[in-house]
Amino acid sequence: AQSVTQPDIHITVSEGASLELRCNYSYGATPYLFWYVQSPGQGLQLLLKYFSGDTLVQGIKGFEAEFKRSQSSFNLRKPSVHWSDAAEYFCAVVVTSYDKVIFGPGTSLSVIP
Amino acid sequence: DAGVTQSPTHLIKTRGQQVTLRCSPKSGHDTVSWYQQALGQGPQFIFQYYEEEERQRGNFPDRFSGHQFPNYSSELNVNALLLGDSALYLCASTSAYEQYFGPGTRLTVT
Repeated sequence: AQSVTQPDIHITVSEGASLELRCNYSYGATPYLFWYVQSPGQGLQLLLKYFSGDTLVQGIKGFEAEFKRSQSSFNLRKPSVHWSDAAEYFCAVVVTSYDKVIFGPGTSLSVIP
Repeated sequence: DAGVTQSPTHLIKTRGQQVTLRCSPKSGHDTVSWYQQALGQGPQFIFQYYEEEERQRGNFPDRFSGHQFPNYSSELNVNALLLGDSALYLCASTSAYEQYFGPGTRLTVT
């Protein structure tokens, strides 16, 4: 069965420091990959997506993610974190068109001023 | 262009009651999916509606049912509420491989 893992339940970084959130998926072929962010009490906002092509994708709010087929990974990065980035981050996959989204358990990010 | 809208925003119900949540998809989207997000967890797929029929279903009991109307809006119904049904319920409208999420309905069962 398809699954998404996010090894880090909670990460704390200082404002201005770099950030990397890890994501691994389990599926035979390459799925369509997404990162969402959720602020407390809010819905999900799409940060970026990977469908095909260049394995380094740029998203909103200065985030980027790199797809590595050999590692079945899609890690999210940001060179300099802002206090407003504190939120819950979800990695997700879609296997086929119009299919359900399979979410990872999420990584909670705290930012120290 | 309005995005995905959901109503109500918050809801408090008692165990055993029934609840109906509503969703209007993004303009032009004909497919609606529902997800349950328990506190501290990732969203879990409940079901998906297309052309007024349930097309896919996740691992949820029959107490969870839905409906899609000709204008593509959708309802999620939950019968015989349990304390464990307390969660954020998210609606998403789909365009090909991308899903657009609404703000959610926070359901509290007491």
